[in-house]
Amino acid sequence: EVQLVQSGAEVKEPGESLKISCKGSGYSFTNYWIGWVRQMPGKGLEWMGIIYPHDSDTRYSPSFQGQVTISVDKSISTVFLQWSSLKASDTAIYYCARHTTAHWADYWGQGTLVTVSS
Amino acid sequence: DIQMTQSPSSLSASVGDRVSFTCRASQSISTYLNWYQQKLGKAPKLLMSAASSLQSGVPSRFSGSGSGTDFTLTISSLQPEDFATYYCQQTYNIPYTFGQGTQLEIK
Repeated sequence: EVQLVQSGAEVKEPGESLKISCKGSGYSFTNYWIGWVRQMPGKGLEWMGIIYPHDSDTRYSPSFQGQVTISVDKSISTVFLQWSSLKASDTAIYYCARHTTAHWADYWGQGTLVTVSS
Repeated sequence: DIQMTQSPSSLSASVGDRVSFTCRASQSISTYLNWYQQKLGKAPKLLMSAASSLQSGVPSRFSGSGSGTDFTLTISSLQPEDFATYYCQQTYNIPYTFGQGTQLEIK
């Protein structure tokens, strides 16, 4: 069974750093892209970027380039999303999703709620 | 970026109704169009890929059509579990943008 399990909710202050994770199982981890999608409170879905675990090829949405870093650790079948300096506007639920070769997202993690508040 | 526009933004309907949502791309995307369903407090679920390919396990009352810039998702006979928000997404060019969503509510 394909599963993507994300790390738990986080509460941080502005300016702090953060790294959240998404662990894949039940499939060949290195052969599928994994991407991140943001959902701000009460809003729609925003595609942030994807990474190919096999070679760490990473593509970002221009809206998120330079704001976040997507990385992977193949040894533990886990993809990460990190911020070096959080802002209040980063408050959102972040979903990871497995992307097929044609890049539609066929399996999703449960979401990680990130709250940034002073 | 390719802009995706969904209409209507919200829709009220009754169980048993036939409903359709539309999604328009700002440029031609061939059939690189996917539909997702999101229920409150849950992760999105892929319903349809490549405009009209139903995902395994998705009921056959869901159907998709379109190519180029105009796409439609149709539910032939609404069931109680279908009340949710529906998003289209293009995977023609990065960034893979979503529409703003159509919220389907019970009348």
